[in-house]
Amino acid sequence: DAKTTQPNSMESNEEEPVHLPCNHSTISGTDYIHWYRQLPSQGPEYVIHGLTSNVNNRMASLAIAEDRKSSTLILHRATLRDAAVYYCIPLHGSSNTGKLIFGQGTTLQVKP
Amino acid sequence: KAGVTQTPRYLIKTRGQQVTLSCSPISGHRSVSWYQQTPGQGLQFLFEYFSETQRNKGNFPGRFSGRQFSNSRSEMNVSTLELGDSALYLCASSVDRDSYNEQFFGPGTRLTVL
Repeated sequence: DAKTTQPNSMESNEEEPVHLPCNHSTISGTDYIHWYRQLPSQGPEYVIHGLTSNVNNRMASLAIAEDRKSSTLILHRATLRDAAVYYCIPLHGSSNTGKLIFGQGTTLQVKP
Repeated sequence: KAGVTQTPRYLIKTRGQQVTLSCSPISGHRSVSWYQQTPGQGLQFLFEYFSETQRNKGNFPGRFSGRQFSNSRSEMNVSTLELGDSALYLCASSVDRDSYNEQFFGPGTRLTVL
């Protein structure tokens, strides 16, 4: 399983962009990069995933480095509701068995 | 479409007892995974079921077991409870087992062992 490194915590001001980095230098060529977040007192929720190309959805954007050893989750305009723990999770492409390996994640604090 | 539901939401047991937690996945989802979350260890994978078969298991003792029914509903059981089993138990469902399928988590069952 690929190892990930994320900063323990980050701060942002409301309505400003947030860039959450993740290092996954041991990722294999078929590992998808998934991001989940966990709001206080809730179960985790899916945010976005990608393989090689940058991805956008209604929640966020995912920028994947060309060598795939790192990625950045981008929240374009942080809101108070985005305060959560963000997890970067590599998932094997061909033999996934529903197993998400959560690291310590990044606790994002959003200040009004 | 209703989300993942877990029952009960809160549970208090004493050491040595056993407990059964229930998870109802989103309609049409065939894969159900279970996770344990504690302040010290974070979120840890317990096991995953797909079409009534356990396909993957985390590093937990045999006291932790589970099953999945034909309607995809799942239960997990913990026997001979220990204080360290106090945790939030989360269930997640997905359409199938492909890695690009997002998992949808329930609100969890908060288990306290006294």
